[in-house]
Amino acid sequence: GAGVSQSPSNKVTEKGKDVELRCDPISGHTALYWYRQRLGQGLEFLIYFQGNSAPDKSGLPSDRFSAERTGESVSTLTIQRTQQEDSAVYLCASSLRNFRVAGTTNYGYTFGSGTRLTVV
Amino acid sequence: DQQVKQNSPSLSVQEGRISILNCDYTNSMFDYFLWYKKYPAEGPTFLISISSIKDKNEDGRFTVFLNKSAKHLSLHIVPSQPGDSAVYFCAASDGTGNQFYFGTGTSLTVIP
Repeated sequence: GAGVSQSPSNKVTEKGKDVELRCDPISGHTALYWYRQRLGQGLEFLIYFQGNSAPDKSGLPSDRFSAERTGESVSTLTIQRTQQEDSAVYLCASSLRNFRVAGTTNYGYTFGSGTRLTVV
Repeated sequence: DQQVKQNSPSLSVQEGRISILNCDYTNSMFDYFLWYKKYPAEGPTFLISISSIKDKNEDGRFTVFLNKSAKHLSLHIVPSQPGDSAVYFCAASDGTGNQFYFGTGTSLTVIP
């Protein structure tokens, strides 16, 4: 597609339930990132996928969070046993490769519109 | 620990005047910086970048200045237009990891 697509755009869930968020990156973008933004905070890195390399999970806040990516396509972020502090906008972004490839013109990531998750 | 800080949550500027958005960082290893612009209900979109080998980068009405000794960067928008009203995030990278570190954003309102 022309842009990064995320679904659903909004999700309200009860505390303790599991949720799954989906991201369709731009076709051909090998790098995919998940960030979240909680109210009044900056964007918080969660996880990074690059091709078939092992993902960088260093930003996942707890073991209730996991993410998968099939090849260089769709990614799903799963939050198990949701808590109220998980309420945030979850943003997915993709880029052609790791943005720091030397010699390339870097325009950073292309973000999707996000999924607003509300845990009640 | 917030490594990138935007201490002004909001800013209002008259149309046609200059908007100056500020960003401070704590990690001296940061060497690449971006500004993103975000409208409500949309994802952030890339605006302008600067690497630490430069102290200024200009793109049309947007100029980013980097002061490495002060660990400070700023985004200048001149002349400001009502369509510039959005939340602006600065972000920084140190080249060792796979992420950018983002500030909390500054909401800019350009008054017609």
